[in-house]
Amino acid sequence: GQNIDQPTEMTATEGAIVQINCTYQTSGFNGLFWYQQHAGEAPTFLSYNVLDGLEEKGRFSSFLSRSKGYSYLLVKELQMKDSASYLCAVRDSNYQLIWGAGTKLIIKP
Amino acid sequence: ETGVTQTPRHLVMGMTNKKSLKCEQHLGHNAMYWYKQSAKKPLELMFVYSLEERVENNSVPSRFSPECPNSSHLFLHLHTLQPEDSALYLCASSPTPGGGADEQFFGPGTRLTVL
Repeated sequence: GQNIDQPTEMTATEGAIVQINCTYQTSGFNGLFWYQQHAGEAPTFLSYNVLDGLEEKGRFSSFLSRSKGYSYLLVKELQMKDSASYLCAVRDSNYQLIWGAGTKLIIKP
Repeated sequence: ETGVTQTPRHLVMGMTNKKSLKCEQHLGHNAMYWYKQSAKKPLELMFVYSLEERVENNSVPSRFSPECPNSSHLFLHLHTLQPEDSALYLCASSPTPGGGADEQFFGPGTRLTVL
């Protein structure tokens, strides 16, 4: 079966850096997405990786290793507004998105 | 209005009721999706429409019936639901049904409670 694993919850301190990991086992691979979802709101797109390496977008970076079936989202200079759930999703060989259950990130002052 | 909108935002219904969820996208996209989001579970894809034609139906019970009258509107008709159907129902759209870096744009969701 297809599977996306991410930690259920993480806690970090304002101003610090946090790394949220995602491992996947899917039938084929056509890209990996990270979304942010604040409580009671819509998921919003953060990043897309299809080739190995690091993609940087401001305070948010995403890394992909296809051979290891592994990605991480790095958030720098954490702000209180970064408290949210972070969803990892992989597009499989049928171009269908397979979603992880999300990582709830709690930021403490 | 911009982006993807959904109505109602909250819905409480009995198991014998019939109701409909509405989604509208103002992005000129050709693909629209219905997802179910339950607490601490992955998003479950329910239906995919591409240019108003259903291209995906992930073994969803017949008590959920989608309708896509045009590329901007998507409905989810509900009847004789079960309490386990209580969840957040998210609508999304994308330029095409798959491929490339096409991200999906989500609506705020309808929080459904079945009594």
